[in-house]
Amino acid sequence: SSELTQDPAVSVALGQTVRITCQGDSLRGHYASWYQQKPGQAPVLVIHGKNNRASGIPDRFSGSTSGNTASLTITGTQAEDEADYYCNAPDSSGNHYVFGAGTKVTVL
Amino acid sequence: EVQLVESGGHWVQHGGSLRLSCAASGFTFGDHFMTWVRQAPGKGLEWVANIKQDGSETYYVDSVRGRFTISRDNTKDSLFLHMNSLSADDAAVYYCARSRWGYGSYFFDYWGQGTLVAVSS
Repeated sequence: SSELTQDPAVSVALGQTVRITCQGDSLRGHYASWYQQKPGQAPVLVIHGKNNRASGIPDRFSGSTSGNTASLTITGTQAEDEADYYCNAPDSSGNHYVFGAGTKVTVL
Repeated sequence: EVQLVESGGHWVQHGGSLRLSCAASGFTFGDHFMTWVRQAPGKGLEWVANIKQDGSETYYVDSVRGRFTISRDNTKDSLFLHMNSLSADDAAVYYCARSRWGYGSYFFDYWGQGTLVAVSS
């Protein structure tokens, strides 16, 4: 299967930790990349590879993978982290890419 | 500074055609895989197509294969998406993104601001 499954929404209290997951068979052989998108803005790369933060991304963002599940964790969530988060990975062919449906993170 | 600026999006009739452009600057364009991603209003991101550095390989999502053509002109640092037989399902903001290889797959490290394609039925 080439699908990546994400929870539609999650909420987190200010300063707390939230984990966003992305499930898919292709994640057994490929790392996911993660993108943050705020309303009216283009997506921004957050994490790629095993756990590599993109330039300018705070160290409260981290990534991990276990089996067919990739996770993006925000430790000490800030109000500005409220956004949609998308995972992406190649499908079984390795040449086509798939996004998860996205997770809306609400900071309480 | 890496910049990607899309253009060419506008309203088009069902069944019509359109060509989107993406002007790149701030990096060696010919060194990078490039990608188009789209986002329908209120929906999530959808990967559309990739093109290899020299244009010799292209890949498409099934829903656009045979209707869309991704191309590039490395002499002009430009990426294109030729779209034919447009339908309401193709209405979206189209983003171009620079692709980088790492740890066994590509990721998209810089994105343009997008160009809006609207399709009238």
